[in-house]
Amino acid sequence: QKEVEQNSGPLSVPEGAIASLNCTYSDRGSQSFFWYRQYSGKSPELIMSIYSNGDKEDGRFTAQLNKASQYVSLLIRDSQPSDSATYLCAGPGGGADGLTFGKGTHLIIQP
Amino acid sequence: GAGVSQSPRYKVAKRGQDVALRCDPISGHVSLFWYQQALGQGPEFLTYFQNEAQLDKSGLPSDRFFAERPEGSVSTLKIQRTQQEDSAVYLCASSSLAGKTYEQYFGPGTRLTVT
Repeated sequence: QKEVEQNSGPLSVPEGAIASLNCTYSDRGSQSFFWYRQYSGKSPELIMSIYSNGDKEDGRFTAQLNKASQYVSLLIRDSQPSDSATYLCAGPGGGADGLTFGKGTHLIIQP
Repeated sequence: GAGVSQSPRYKVAKRGQDVALRCDPISGHVSLFWYQQALGQGPEFLTYFQNEAQLDKSGLPSDRFFAERPEGSVSTLKIQRTQQEDSAVYLCASSSLAGKTYEQYFGPGTRLTVT
């Protein structure tokens, strides 16, 4: 069973600071990972994908993949109250063809 | 452009009733996935279509669950003889490429409540 693990939080970060979200995975062969943001009562929204070791930056978001240590992280710079949401980490492993998701980390940005 | 759409957005069913949930993926997307999300949990994979072919149904929890995508576009997830444990949000996602290693875009979901 391929697993993705996240700390459920809540993670509280002051406005303007860097929010750091982490995820570990069990399958060494996994190549691609995704971060989704989910507001309460809404569906997951894709915010970042990462396919290779290292960092990938997109605006205020940076995804990091470390295959040797089997972890994925998401950094949010200059955190805004609108970033308050649950962040889901996903990788291959849902069945043979789907994604497996962590339970999500609840992020709260304090004004 | 238009995203993934799902209908109905909310469905209340009495235990034992059959329900049908519809997903209309992003136009031209080859892959279509169904997930089930319980409160406070991440989505869990149910089944996968590549065009009209159902290539993976390993996540369907019982033989009461059935999915189809007959023309390789719109998909329907059917649940027969609903049970209370079927209450969840059912999410559909589509991807422009085949397989699990590419970006998936979710629809708004259908919240099913079985009473």
